[in-house]
Amino acid sequence: SQKIEQNSEALNIQEGKTATLTCNYTNYSPAYLQWYRQDPGRGPVFLLLIRENEKEKRKERLKVTFDTTLKQSLFHITASQPADSATYLCALDGPSGSARQLTFGSGTQLTVLP
Amino acid sequence: AAGVIQSPRHLIKEKRETATLKCYPIPRHDTVYWYQQGPGQDPQFLISFYEKMQSDKGSIPDRFSAQQFSDYHSELNMSSLELGDSALYFCASSFFLGQGLDNEQYFGPGTRLTVT
Repeated sequence: SQKIEQNSEALNIQEGKTATLTCNYTNYSPAYLQWYRQDPGRGPVFLLLIRENEKEKRKERLKVTFDTTLKQSLFHITASQPADSATYLCALDGPSGSARQLTFGSGTQLTVLP
Repeated sequence: AAGVIQSPRHLIKEKRETATLKCYPIPRHDTVYWYQQGPGQDPQFLISFYEKMQSDKGSIPDRFSAQQFSDYHSELNMSSLELGDSALYFCASSFFLGQGLDNEQYFGPGTRLTVT
């Protein structure tokens, strides 16, 4: 069955460093992959979407890569700040290829230390 | 900018009772999604609606039902509540551009359901 894995449940880094989060998937060929940020008790907030034919996408301090051969996406936050501390979720479109549902990974809790 | 509105924000029910959660999507969004997130878990897709018709169905129990109304708001009805139904329930909306296109979802603040 389809499976999405995100690296380490928790990641601690020093302010100013680059945080790199990993999302791996198996038994699946998504049309696109999305990254969301979630703060405790709040709904996920959309950050970036990368399509299967795109290698890299950037938005301000965020960068996402997508390697469909490795079945992996990397999410980078450069010049990290304590305000970046949150849980980051990767998500794929539905197992049936439907765009009308998302399957989320278990998330990586990022803590940026001042 | 207008966001997804969910009500109520908090709900406490007893076992075997019924609950109704409401979701008001962003104006002009035509697709609504429901997700359930248990403590320490990732959001699990329940069901979605496109143009008032059920679109996709995920891990939604038979005790739950949902619909989307003519004004595009959606309601999730939960009956015979169990302790395990305690969770955050998120509604999300999007404007569906088409299969394989950038259908990013915008999530509401969630309804925290506690079943005692």
